[in-house]
Amino acid sequence: GENVEQHPSTLSVQEGDSAVIKCTYSDSASNYFPWYKQELGKRPQLIIDIRSNVGEKKDQRIAVTLNKTAKHFSLHITETQPEDSAVYFCAASTRIQGAQKLVFGQGTRLTINP
Amino acid sequence: DGGITQSPKYLFRKEGQNVTLSCEQNLNHDAMYWYRQDPGQGLRLIYYSQIVNDFQKGDIAEGYSVSREKKESFPLTVTSAQKNPTAFYLCASSSRRVGTDTQYFGPGTRLTVL
Repeated sequence: GENVEQHPSTLSVQEGDSAVIKCTYSDSASNYFPWYKQELGKRPQLIIDIRSNVGEKKDQRIAVTLNKTAKHFSLHITETQPEDSAVYFCAASTRIQGAQKLVFGQGTRLTINP
Repeated sequence: DGGITQSPKYLFRKEGQNVTLSCEQNLNHDAMYWYRQDPGQGLRLIYYSQIVNDFQKGDIAEGYSVSREKKESFPLTVTSAQKNPTAFYLCASSSRRVGTDTQYFGPGTRLTVL
């Protein structure tokens, strides 16, 4: 089955700097790659996603890149702000008829230092 | 994600007891999912359902059971066979329509075994 590895497990950056989180996946059939942000004790919230037919996607300060050949994808956050502090999860999935079976990475705890 | 509710928010169970976690959605989504999250770890899929009266095991289904009698509801029962049930349980839902892959999460139930 699918296996997703996420690095680093913790990341600390100065406010205003950029943060990069990387994930690799094992199943070449995976075709959907979402990123979720989770604050302490709260539900995961989708921040950006990318499908396998696209190499890069941007949404304001957040971007995701996908390299299908190497089976890795990355989250880039620019101009970081204190409210970006949270745990970030990547995931990979394959659509099985009407459902998306997501496999998550272990998470990255991002801390933005003022 | 505001259209998914879970109850209760906190649940305490004695060893040997079965407990049922509730998940309801009003997003008209066909697919629903249950995940388990342990401290400092990613989400792991327990069960998922693509449509009413149908469900499939995820990666860690042992000791859990589900039903899907209504489109809006996907309750999870944690049985006494689950040896380490203390965790944060998250329910999610998504549309069956191709191109709409986003999974929306409920607020979660924190289960503690006493």
